[in-house]
Amino acid sequence: NAGVTQTPKFQVLKTGQSMTLQCAQDMNHEYMSWYRQDPGMGLRLIHYSVGAGITDQGEVPNGYNVSRSTTEDFPLRLLSAAPSQTSVYFCASSYLGTAQAFFGQGTRLTVV
Amino acid sequence: QKEVEQDPGPLSVPEGAIVSLNCTYSNSAFQYFMWYRQYSRKGPELLMYTYSSGNKEDGRFTAQVDKSSKYISLFIRDSQPSDSATYLCAMSARNYGGSQGNLIFGKGTKLSVKP
Repeated sequence: NAGVTQTPKFQVLKTGQSMTLQCAQDMNHEYMSWYRQDPGMGLRLIHYSVGAGITDQGEVPNGYNVSRSTTEDFPLRLLSAAPSQTSVYFCASSYLGTAQAFFGQGTRLTVV
Repeated sequence: QKEVEQDPGPLSVPEGAIVSLNCTYSNSAFQYFMWYRQYSRKGPELLMYTYSSGNKEDGRFTAQVDKSSKYISLFIRDSQPSDSATYLCAMSARNYGGSQGNLIFGKGTKLSVKP
């Protein structure tokens, strides 16, 4: 049982480049979300989705786009990377109506 | 004031000690309370989950929620070197729109258990 799978594990981008962080879950969870984790800041919610076709903003959405075309996948797009987006990104999923979120192993992103 | 406050530590204890980790919060709408364990360079792993108030025990771990004081705790009995990790508290409010998955995290407490 794979759970929540994130790819890539590591990425280095130049300022202004774009990329997509992939997240897939095999638990048939309706709810999926993206967090970033920065030293001294804890985990902060970027975007979330309560089902296919439905997305909404979290605490720190600027500079990121999301879409949800299937239950399983929830990619996070950086349209024009900035050094302030250097962080560790985590995808999480849960059943709708609960708060028991399961996390992926993270993507370490460095923007130079 | 941040919604969730957690002492970042670090906390160092000898093997076999009882560990107490705590978080306070300000939002009285929080109904779901979680503790996650995060090993270095890994994703958070759900340890304990409590809805509303009360205690919950799972092996060496006990989670307590005191909503009147807006205070939650995690106790680890007979701590082991393998318990060395960062412990994150997380909370969310009940929401009929489905966003109770939107978690508010503490900054995490780094625990080291020495053999």
